[in-house]
Amino acid sequence: LAKTTQPISMDSYEGQEVNITCSHNNIATNDYITWYQQFPSQGPRFIIQGYKTKVTNEVASLFIPADRKSSTLSLPRVSLSDTAVYYCLVGDMGTGRRALTFGSGTRLQVQP
Amino acid sequence: GAVVSQHPSWVICKSGTSVKIECRSLDFQATTMFWYRQFPKQSLMLMATSNEGSKATYEQGVEKDKFLINHASLTLSTLTVTSAHPEDSSFYICSAIEGPGDTEAFFGQGTRLTVV
Repeated sequence: LAKTTQPISMDSYEGQEVNITCSHNNIATNDYITWYQQFPSQGPRFIIQGYKTKVTNEVASLFIPADRKSSTLSLPRVSLSDTAVYYCLVGDMGTGRRALTFGSGTRLQVQP
Repeated sequence: GAVVSQHPSWVICKSGTSVKIECRSLDFQATTMFWYRQFPKQSLMLMATSNEGSKATYEQGVEKDKFLINHASLTLSTLTVTSAHPEDSSFYICSAIEGPGDTEAFFGQGTRLTVV
């Protein structure tokens, strides 16, 4: 399984754009990149998923360069409620081992 | 998105007793379910993978006789912590995948277990 590396923590202010980059140098051809958000004492919540290039949904954008060895989660105009831990996961859900392995995550603190 | 529900949300039990945690997929059939454990300020650690109708596959270091997993149907998996001890106190989370080829896992809200 591809190992991921993320910053342990980040600080931001309300209204700013936050970009969290994840490194996954040994990503395999069949692997997808998925980001989850977790609040204290809650299960992870799916944010966005991509395979290559750029993906955008109503809450975030995911940028994946051509070599796919890294990815960047972009949160536009964060608010206090975006304070959480963000996990980048890489895995192949379609065949073989399908469990998602969690790395250390990035603890985002949004200040007023 | 699909909903995965865990029950109970929290439980307190005495040392030496057993506790069962249920994980249900409410609006889809889950071919595979996963159980994680999370200690305070730490990441989720995969405990086991279970497929409906077959034995669970445990991660290295996880005692299968202590953490009994039963995936009896496509919508229900249970984790039983047997002879619980205070060191088993943790946050237990399940997740589920609907079918082969699906790339999104849906997570339950978690169960806080406290062994006293």
